[in-house]
Amino acid sequence: NAGVTQTPKFHILKTGQSMTLQCAQDMNHGYMSWYRQDPGMGLRLIYYSAAAGTTDKEVPNGYNVSRLNTEDFPLRLVSAAPSQTSVYLCASSYHLAERGNDNEQFFGPGTRLTVL
Amino acid sequence: DQQVKQNSPSLSVQEGRISILNCDYTNSMFDYFLWYKKYPAEGPTFLISISSIKDKNEDGRFTVFLNKSAKHLSLHIVPSQPGDSAVYFCAASPRYENTGNQFYFGTGTSLTVIP
Repeated sequence: NAGVTQTPKFHILKTGQSMTLQCAQDMNHGYMSWYRQDPGMGLRLIYYSAAAGTTDKEVPNGYNVSRLNTEDFPLRLVSAAPSQTSVYLCASSYHLAERGNDNEQFFGPGTRLTVL
Repeated sequence: DQQVKQNSPSLSVQEGRISILNCDYTNSMFDYFLWYKKYPAEGPTFLISISSIKDKNEDGRFTVFLNKSAKHLSLHIVPSQPGDSAVYFCAASPRYENTGNQFYFGTGTSLTVIP
């Protein structure tokens, strides 16, 4: 099992450019999330998907997400801004209804993104 | 609004001694709590969890204590080892079904274990 993989590891964007951060998991997890990690702020949830083909909450401005299948959960920065400079972490887990107790999230290694 | 708080950004401990990391939460609907460990340039990895029906859970050198009335949990590492040096995140989840499996994370505590 590769677990949760993310590409790229690092990227530099100019303001206004767009790009897609890739995330994939091979554990057949229904639930996937994107977080950003900033100094002094901990991990902040950007968006989550409970299953393929579903959208579960309003997508924050500046981002676009899709969940066409169980394995992949790409995050697109539509028109990058310096405020989006961060480390982006993707995570997956079983849905609560599938697993119940002891249901931790598994994280990818992260993408360090700088927007100039 | 930070619903999970770790008020100590950093902690230094001598090797072999006990490390105690603290976490407070505000949402009384949280009923499942986890600790994650994160090394630089890696994703967080799960360490230990506790359900609100318990007040203690132990796994080897790691013990998590939960005080529901105080909305406080702590992670004890005994004995501390240099390899434990990392950032530790506390996380909490309201495990009612209509939110799937959403977690709220604290700001992290950087632990340094001095050889």
